[in-house]
Amino acid sequence: SQQGEEDPQALSIQEGENATMNCSYKTSINNLQWYRQNSGRGLVHLILIRSNEREKHSGRLRVTLDTSKKSSSLLITASRAADTASYFCATDRQGNLIFGKGTKLSVKP
Amino acid sequence: EAGVVQSPRYKIIEKKQPVAFWCNPISGHNTLYWYRQNLGQGPELLIRYENEEAVDDSQLPKDRFSAERLKGVDSTLKIQPAELGDSAVYLCASSFGRGAETQYFGPGTRLLVL
Repeated sequence: SQQGEEDPQALSIQEGENATMNCSYKTSINNLQWYRQNSGRGLVHLILIRSNEREKHSGRLRVTLDTSKKSSSLLITASRAADTASYFCATDRQGNLIFGKGTKLSVKP
Repeated sequence: EAGVVQSPRYKIIEKKQPVAFWCNPISGHNTLYWYRQNLGQGPELLIRYENEEAVDDSQLPKDRFSAERLKGVDSTLKIQPAELGDSAVYLCASSFGRGAETQYFGPGTRLLVL
């Protein structure tokens, strides 16, 4: 079963615009992670935010976590064509990661 | 440092045939995971190893799937016999330490069962 649900399922933007993806989950967590998957490749870890953190930055990425709403958002600023990929949130449950279905981001040059 | 290595990258077989996937994790990573990813979905855990012990195989269809990690390093996932519904990407990942911390994924094996 999948715990996290990303929204939107697909997002298409122009290069230079910002992209925001959201993730909702159902049960309490210790941490939430975001991963990127390019077509035909494995997943790449982007960022991990712990339950006692509210915001975290890494380069052009900004992640927020609202444990009261059981939701997280991933913001990619000044997007590039190379950011085209699927983005997954993952939450921990009993020592395992549970992934959502992902948001498919398309950045057009 | 080498990443997680998987082979083969692609496999096409007929239903009822056996198939095996191999994974070599990042050196020093004691936790290894096998996931299955269906088209348009996120990865779903099949089995998690800590060293050579399978600590969570609750989602592994044990009637046809088996896995081993004999020396606590590389691992093999086997399907016998394969069914049409097994067509998917099989991903291996590893992490240092136990628990749901950062995982490092291999490129996956894309299986097509005809």
